[in-house]
Amino acid sequence: AQSVAQPEDQVNVAEGNPLTVKCTYSVSGNPYLFWYVQYPNRGLQFLLKYITGDNLVKGSYGFEAEFNKSQTSFHLKKPSALVSDSALYFCAVRDLRGVDSAAGSYQLTFGKGTKLSVIP
Amino acid sequence: KAGVTQTPRYLIKTRGQQVTLSCSPISGHRSVSWYQQTPGQGLQFLFEYFSETQRNKGNFPGRFSGRQFSNSRSEMNVSTLELGDSALYLCASSPKGASTMVSGYTFGSGTRLTVV
Repeated sequence: AQSVAQPEDQVNVAEGNPLTVKCTYSVSGNPYLFWYVQYPNRGLQFLLKYITGDNLVKGSYGFEAEFNKSQTSFHLKKPSALVSDSALYFCAVRDLRGVDSAAGSYQLTFGKGTKLSVIP
Repeated sequence: KAGVTQTPRYLIKTRGQQVTLSCSPISGHRSVSWYQQTPGQGLQFLFEYFSETQRNKGNFPGRFSGRQFSNSRSEMNVSTLELGDSALYLCASSPKGASTMVSGYTFGSGTRLTVV
């Protein structure tokens, strides 16, 4: 089964500083990787995904992520953090389920999440 | 266009009762997946429906069930509620069956279930 790990439960960064939220993955085959953000009492919002192509993926709200195959990492980054970026961030990997791969469906397997706090 | 709508937003139930949660996907989306989110276990996959058929089920007891209607709306049911079922239940829809997984999921805001 595919899996992702988010090694940091919490990341604190000062407003205006660059931020990085880490994610490593374990997959067989080519990875399909995603980042989602969750604000309090809300569902998850899609930020960006890596399917194939450029290793640097740009997403919503100024976020980007760098895919590194040799390090099996997919870290989320932003050049200048905003207080409004404070939220819970989830890394996810496409996970093939189902008995028949042709008919089976792909689900998302999520990391445990990283709480980002941007300090004014 | 309207997003994924989950109702109700909040529920308080007593141990032993049953509960039904509803999810209306984005118009045109045919795949609906359900996740349970708790502080201890994080996000765990419950099941996925596509064209009224359950295609996959996560590692949850049989007390958790669901269904999907012809208009793609989905419901999940939890019977004989336990304290540990207290969680945020999230519904997510995707357009063309989860097998494409190109655009990713669109999540609803969730239903917060509290079992007392």
